[in-house]
Amino acid sequence: EIVMTQSLATLSVSPGERVTLSCRASQSVNFNLAWYQQKPGQAPRLLIYGASTRATGIPARFSGSGSGTEFTLTISSLQSEDFAVYYCQQYNDWPLTFGGGTRVEIK
Amino acid sequence: EVQLLESGGGLVQPGGSLRLSCAASGFSFSNYGMSWVRQAPGKGLEWVSSISSGLSPHYADHLKGRFTISRDNSKNTVYLQMDSLRADDTAVYYCAKRYTSGGGHFEYWGQGTLVTVSS
Repeated sequence: EIVMTQSLATLSVSPGERVTLSCRASQSVNFNLAWYQQKPGQAPRLLIYGASTRATGIPARFSGSGSGTEFTLTISSLQSEDFAVYYCQQYNDWPLTFGGGTRVEIK
Repeated sequence: EVQLLESGGGLVQPGGSLRLSCAASGFSFSNYGMSWVRQAPGKGLEWVSSISSGLSPHYADHLKGRFTISRDNSKNTVYLQMDSLRADDTAVYYCAKRYTSGGGHFEYWGQGTLVTVSS
């Protein structure tokens, strides 16, 4: 099983700041990596797939990078609606696995 | 517009069974893989099962033998049969559309249905 590790459980950030979230895979997942955003009481929403492709309707302030085992989600200027939990997920191999999530909270 | 509507959740006793349904609309259902993902209270996301357009199923190892995924393309519906339920199966169960016929990321998600296993 490919273990996905999001090293930061919580990140305290002020609005307008740049945010970088990391995700590491225990073995290569190539570019088969997605990022999701989840707000309280809501279903997850796809942000990024293929490690760097923004999903439909996702603002340009969200960007993804990386390949193999190291991935990053960057929010260029955090908006109030961006405070949420972010999950990475690999779909390179079975079983599909998620990282534990990083909560981005208001500083 | 893609819509996924889960149903069938509720309170069930340990050892009991439940069948979840997910009614899909807004896309050509038979051409896409579908999945179930769950989230225990206050916890992260956990993949449960997927089924391809060609009916090939996959399961999380620790759920094999207790959970069964199926789909009815004539009804645009995917199901999750859950047997021998345990307290740690308590979670919100989300239905998700895969990006391709067999795999890819979870492109769209339903709002989820809550399953509570308790006596």
